[in-house]
Amino acid sequence: DQQVKQNSPSLSVQEGRISILNCDYTNSMFDYFLWYKKYPAEGPTFLISISSIKDKNEDGRFTVFLNKSAKHLSLHIVPSQPGDSAVYFCAATNTGNQFYFGTGTSLTVIP
Amino acid sequence: SQTIHQWPATLVQPVGSPLSLECTVEGTSNPNLYWYRQAAGRGLQLLFYSVGIGQISSEVPQNLSASRPQDRQFILSSKKLLLSDSGFYLCARGRTNTEAFFGQGTRLTVV
Repeated sequence: DQQVKQNSPSLSVQEGRISILNCDYTNSMFDYFLWYKKYPAEGPTFLISISSIKDKNEDGRFTVFLNKSAKHLSLHIVPSQPGDSAVYFCAATNTGNQFYFGTGTSLTVIP
Repeated sequence: SQTIHQWPATLVQPVGSPLSLECTVEGTSNPNLYWYRQAAGRGLQLLFYSVGIGQISSEVPQNLSASRPQDRQFILSSKKLLLSDSGFYLCARGRTNTEAFFGQGTRLTVV
């Protein structure tokens, strides 16, 4: 049972435009959400996170939005750059003992 | 230091052969440790997690097992590999209660 879902396997965006990656979850006990970026043949690297007590967290070009009632979060990248091309995973956790990941969205930023 | 050592980087094994992937971590003691697998076209699947020596929780019943013989050592094993065991295996540690830090991964191909 996939508790965290990313329904878009891929996304293409022009350089300079906004990239919006979406993620849905089913477990209302999740209290912390994370986004990871992964290049081929490498481990994922942490990008940005948000606690369930917030609805927005911003770090430079990256902003994560959380809608608890809809069990939905999104990652906005603006402006998008070619170096942002990678697979993005959203993850959720309850207390940090277990992390559940989505299936990933492959972002391609076109120069 | 939050380094995770994972080896080998790539591995090709015949069906029915045994498997042993080792992960060692540096940094604080008694970390939470995880084994994830990313299969082709799928997201990061949590296989096992451990909160301490000898303490293993299995998320998905399958052909694999894990052991934690030392505080900073986490081993993924199989007695007889199946074709479906092919994938990218990642060891991770809980860097904080709400963040996972990943190793570089092992690409396993079962032939």
